[in-house]
Amino acid sequence: TQLLEQSPQFLSIQEGENLTVYCNSSSVFSSLQWYRQEPGEGPVLLVTVVTGGEVKKLKRLTFQFGDARKDSSLHITAAQPGDTGLYLCAGESYAGGTSYGKLTFGQGTILTVHP
Amino acid sequence: GAGVSQSPRYKVAKRGQDVALRCDPISGHVSLFWYQQALGQGPEFLTYFQNEAQLDKSGLPSDRFFAERPEGSVSTLKIQRTQQEDSAVYLCASITNPGLAEETQYFGPGTRLLVL
Repeated sequence: TQLLEQSPQFLSIQEGENLTVYCNSSSVFSSLQWYRQEPGEGPVLLVTVVTGGEVKKLKRLTFQFGDARKDSSLHITAAQPGDTGLYLCAGESYAGGTSYGKLTFGQGTILTVHP
Repeated sequence: GAGVSQSPRYKVAKRGQDVALRCDPISGHVSLFWYQQALGQGPEFLTYFQNEAQLDKSGLPSDRFFAERPEGSVSTLKIQRTQQEDSAVYLCASITNPGLAEETQYFGPGTRLLVL
C-alpha cells in the first residue's frame, strides 16, 4: 500500500509570513499533484510535477518534486488570507506498466492565514 | 463548459437505508473516479471506470458498496444498508485521457452523506 505523509496537519500563521508544506513517501510516484480544497467544494488542481528535481512556480507558490520522486514540497511566500484552505498532495503511480490517473492523497494541511 | 456535477449535494440517511449518489462527468471524459473523504482528511480512492468498464474497484470498503457506469457517462455509487462509518463526502472526478502525464483530474463538489 502506498502512503503519502503530509505535514504539518494544521498551520495557523499571520498574513505576510512564509510557510512550507511537506509530502513524503517511501514509494516512487510517476507524478505528484498539489490541490487546494475549499469547504463544500471538490479539490482543485494547482500543479503537477513529473520530473525528479523539478521546480514549478505559480505566483507566490513554489512546488518542488524530490530527485527520487518520493517527496514534494509546497512553499508559499508572503501568505495572504485568501490562501486559507485545505492543501492536498496526491501521487500517481504506475501499475502494471500503465498509469491511469488513480491518486493516493496525503492527509491534507489545513492552512489558516490571519489578517 | 460545465464541470463535474454531483447529486444530491447532501444526503441524510437512517442507518440501514440504501442510498444512491450520482455523478455527471465532463462530457467526453473517458475516465471516472470515485473517492471517499472523511472529515478533515484527504480523499481515498474507491473505484475507477474507463468508459463503461469498471477496471479497478480495489478501494470499495465492503460489498455494500456498488458502482456502475452503464453507458460510459453518468455514474452511480450505491451504498446498501448504510452504516454510521459510511458518513463522509463522496467525490467524483473525471479525466480525458487515462495514462497521459500531467492530465488534469477534475473533481465534482461532492455529496456529503450523513448516516444517523
